[in-house]
Amino acid sequence: QVQLQESGPGLVKPSETLSLTCTVSGGSISSYYWSWIRQPPGKGLEWIGYIYYSGSTNYNPSLKSRVTMSVDTSKNQFSLKLSSLTAADTAVYYCATTEALSLGMDVWGQGTTVTVSS
Amino acid sequence: SYELTQPPSVSVSPGQTASITCSGDKLGDKYACWYQQKPGQSPVLVIYQDTKRPSGIPDRFFGSNSGNTATLTISGTQAMDEADYYCQAWDSGTVVFGGGTKLTVL
Repeated sequence: QVQLQESGPGLVKPSETLSLTCTVSGGSISSYYWSWIRQPPGKGLEWIGYIYYSGSTNYNPSLKSRVTMSVDTSKNQFSLKLSSLTAADTAVYYCATTEALSLGMDVWGQGTTVTVSS
Repeated sequence: SYELTQPPSVSVSPGQTASITCSGDKLGDKYACWYQQKPGQSPVLVIYQDTKRPSGIPDRFFGSNSGNTATLTISGTQAMDEADYYCQAWDSGTVVFGGGTKLTVL
């Protein structure tokens, strides 16, 4: 069973760029779709985007100008960069995966809390 | 952009049937899935492709999707089912989540 683990800084300053990594264990990253989702405190889920193992991406149109995703098959990791941070980007960030777009995201990481504050 | 609308809250008595709706334009033409999220935990997929249950999900969880509405039905609701529930669909290759519904079992 694939397991996911997010890692990255818990505190980032406004206007800076957030970098998060999701490490895949128990399976290979060289298949499936790999997503990032976030959840602001007390609010609902917001999809940020996904990357296919081949490197093709699709981003939330509302975040597209600030998002970059990449995959490192040698490390079995995929990453998120989110630029020009504001307090509104404060959230729990989850990575998740699905075998196919129609199947739903069946494996999620535990989430990592990111606070944007000076 | 595509939107999915859920009621903010639903209440149900233990042992009764709970229904949570998710509305979107021609949602029935897309696949819908549902996630359960308990406080402090990551979401868990409970229904995918409208009606299918992942392994380990109790058979009291049912899904349907037709017209503009997908519905998650929980029969014989238990206290452990109290959680937030989110519907999700794919639109033009992008993921869309509903706003979430807090299910209270009382």
